Amino acid sequence: EDKVVQSPLSLVVHEGDTVTLNCSYEVTNFRSLLWYKQEKKAPTFLFMLTSSGIEKKSGRLSSILDKKELFSILNITATQTGDSAIYLCAVGNQRSGSARQLTFGSGTQLTVLP
Amino acid sequence: DGGITQSPKYLFRKEGQNVTLSCEQNLNHDAMYWYRQDPGQGLRLIYYSQIVNDFQKGDIAEGYSVSREKKESFPLTVTSAQKNPTAFYLCASSRSDTQYFGPGTRLTVL
Repeated sequence: EDKVVQSPLSLVVHEGDTVTLNCSYEVTNFRSLLWYKQEKKAPTFLFMLTSSGIEKKSGRLSSILDKKELFSILNITATQTGDSAIYLCAVGNQRSGSARQLTFGSGTQLTVLP
Repeated sequence: DGGITQSPKYLFRKEGQNVTLSCEQNLNHDAMYWYRQDPGQGLRLIYYSQIVNDFQKGDIAEGYSVSREKKESFPLTVTSAQKNPTAFYLCASSRSDTQYFGPGTRLTVL
């Protein structure tokens, strides 16, 4: 059974702190790893990673994948209150036929205090 | 504007009633998905569809049904057979691995 585990489950920091969110996975036929940010409603796409060791960066957010050790991290530097959200990790796998599906972790709830 | 819409935003139903949640996309994506989100459990896949007139069960399909008569539309029916239907329901669509989500429907069964 495919499994995606995120840690920590929740995190409370102060503005300006740097945080690292973790995602480990066990899936067959790995295709990609995706990070989403969910504030109140729809998850919004942050990054998709397919190759080990190549950092993806967007502003204060960055992410990297290690396919040998089966994990990814999401870093947020100089956190702001607007970063408060649930961060979801999902792994794309190739199941039967051409089906492309995502298996999601349970998320990390990040709270940034002013 | 291109995107995914879900309606209604909030839905209240009595136990034993079937209810249908709407999902429409104008992104010209072939694949569409329905997820259920409960507190602390992430997203779990209910049904997905790769093309029109075809759909597959996900991990928690029992008590749900779908149809895909048009590329743009993928409605989800929560039947009375679903034991614990109160949850947040998210619809998504994709062309590749990246899925894009609608705003969700919060269903409460009284």
